[in-house]
Amino acid sequence: QKEVEQNSGPLSVPEGAIASLNCTYSDRGSQSFFWYRQYSGKSPELIMFIYSNGDKEDGRFTAQLNKASQYVSLLIRDSQPSDSATYLCAVNEEGFQKLVFGTGTRLLVSP
Amino acid sequence: DAGVIQSPRHEVTEMGQEVTLRCKPISGHNSLFWYRQTMMRGLELLIYFNNNVPIDDSGMPEDRFSAKMPNASFSTLKIQPSEPRDSAVYFCASSLATSGGGYFGPGTRLTVL
Repeated sequence: QKEVEQNSGPLSVPEGAIASLNCTYSDRGSQSFFWYRQYSGKSPELIMFIYSNGDKEDGRFTAQLNKASQYVSLLIRDSQPSDSATYLCAVNEEGFQKLVFGTGTRLLVSP
Repeated sequence: DAGVIQSPRHEVTEMGQEVTLRCKPISGHNSLFWYRQTMMRGLELLIYFNNNVPIDDSGMPEDRFSAKMPNASFSTLKIQPSEPRDSAVYFCASSLATSGGGYFGPGTRLTVL
């Protein structure tokens, strides 16, 4: 069974710090990787996706992928209290749209 | 642009009743997904459609659940009969088949008493 593992947290960081969120996956056939942010009581919101090994930057967010280690991470620079949310990692295989989600990491950014 | 639209936003019903959840995907998207989210099990994919055709329904928990997509702009998820363990937030999401990921609707919070 394909699995996506995340530490449930909470991960607590002070405002302005870098938050590092991690995710591991079991299926070596996984090709696409997504990060979603979910505020309490709201729906998941797609914030980043990455397909190739290495880093991908978008504003304060950087996604990092290492397929050899089956590891994907999300860095949030200059964390803000408004970044406090649960971050969900999701993966799928090439040619397959079925996403497998991790259980999410709760991030708390304190002022 | 309108995002994914779901209705109703909240549904409270009694055990044994039929429940129908509705979804309108983002215009132009050709893939549609139904998810269920609970504290215990997290976010689970129930079924997804490509070009209105069901592709994978392996996540549908049992025969009490059924889903249809009669056209590109509308889908339903039906539970008949409903049970208390079906209580959850049900999300619909849509995407382009080539892009993966998905854009979620606001969800329907279902409570079965």
